Amino acid sequence: DTEVTQTPKHLVMGMTNKKSLKCEQHMGHRAMYWYKQKAKKPPELMFVYSYEKLSINESVPSRFSPECPNSSLLNLHLHALQPEDSALYLCASSPRDRTTDTQYFGPGTRLTVL
Amino acid sequence: AQKVTQAQTEISVVEKEDVTLDCVYETRDTTYYLFWYKQPPSGELVFLIRRNSFDEQNEISGRYSWNFQKSTSSFNFTITASQVVDSAVYFCASRRMDSSYKLIFGSGTRLLVRP
Repeated sequence: DTEVTQTPKHLVMGMTNKKSLKCEQHMGHRAMYWYKQKAKKPPELMFVYSYEKLSINESVPSRFSPECPNSSLLNLHLHALQPEDSALYLCASSPRDRTTDTQYFGPGTRLTVL
Repeated sequence: AQKVTQAQTEISVVEKEDVTLDCVYETRDTTYYLFWYKQPPSGELVFLIRRNSFDEQNEISGRYSWNFQKSTSSFNFTITASQVVDSAVYFCASRRMDSSYKLIFGSGTRLLVRP
């Protein structure tokens, strides 16, 4: 089972709102990722958690705040976003095994910031 | 630094035609991975294949086949007898074979299969 789930599927928020995106996997993977994808562009890496610790932050603005409560869950807290932050947000996970480290993606959350 | 180029922005074919999606990669690393992902209109990136740099064997999976040639730095993807359900954006990606996590994506090729 290579399933990564994300909630919600769609989210509309105002620039003053606070919201959270959630991601869950039950494959025993030890690395989890957040990507941002604008229309007609490839995904862009935002954050990487390895063994529940933040290992990569790709210079993401502080209005995006990741959290990894445990090895199966990954959250992305959103606050004071801008309209240009509207995008598809993809979560992924991987075994964190150097020889077979394939990333498996969730269905994404389509975020619209008004 | 790694770079992946997918020169074909959009391809349109009629159902049952064969179609090849091109992928050219650049890397100074001697060991690396190459990937193909499919992204249907629903948005989810679906993993299709991973290839190691030391394994140049071509692979076939049903109607899908992949041709990895290190001599030309290419990792092309062919769909035989295309179907409407193959319509999607296809991304080629590379990754260093070390503790680095970062996938380097190409810009994607949008495939439209018309009935």
